[in-house]
Amino acid sequence: ETGVTQSPTHLIKTRGQQVTLRCSSQSGHNTVSWYQQALGQGPQFIFQYYREEENGRGNFPPRFSGLQFPNYSSELNVNALELDDSALYLCASSLDDNTEAFFGQGTRLTVV
Amino acid sequence: QKEVEQNSGPLSVPEGAIASLNCTYSDRGSQSFFWYRQYSGKSPELIMSIYSNGDKEDGRFTAQLNKASQYVSLLIRDSQPSDSATYLCAVNPFSGGYNKLIFGAGTRLAVHP
Repeated sequence: ETGVTQSPTHLIKTRGQQVTLRCSSQSGHNTVSWYQQALGQGPQFIFQYYREEENGRGNFPPRFSGLQFPNYSSELNVNALELDDSALYLCASSLDDNTEAFFGQGTRLTVV
Repeated sequence: QKEVEQNSGPLSVPEGAIASLNCTYSDRGSQSFFWYRQYSGKSPELIMSIYSNGDKEDGRFTAQLNKASQYVSLLIRDSQPSDSATYLCAVNPFSGGYNKLIFGAGTRLAVHP
């Protein structure tokens, strides 16, 4: 069984730039959620994709957007990067209504 | 009031002792509860899930849930230095018709030999 994989693992961007993070869900999982974890904090829910549609969103501005593809992999896009966007971005996959979510290794984004 | 609250720690226990980690949540309608372990620089790893009142045991771990008191706990028996990590409590309020996790800030556990 293949776990959740994310790419890249580390990324450095300049303020104002745009970034795309990628996630492959665990085999058999059709739901992908994205979280942002700032240093010393718990992960914060950004949004969730189910069957290629966004079906839930946390308190993040529209410059955070995403996609889910037919194979259930997903992308997180962040436009107009700000210094405060520096964080660990986590992707979690789950199956339908099963709320057990399994995380990928994360992408560490640094905005300078 | 934060939605999920945990003591930040560090909680320091000697090797072989029982570590007790606590969490309270504010949304009374929450339906599922989880404990994740996160080593420094790594991603969270699911170690326990609990859905109904009472205790749930898995190896050295026991999760306890009291919905009336809005309280979740995790007991780690025979603590080992390898258990030293941050433990995140997560709650699924199932609001809006979809599943999401609301995390506490985590409790840092240090197990010393």
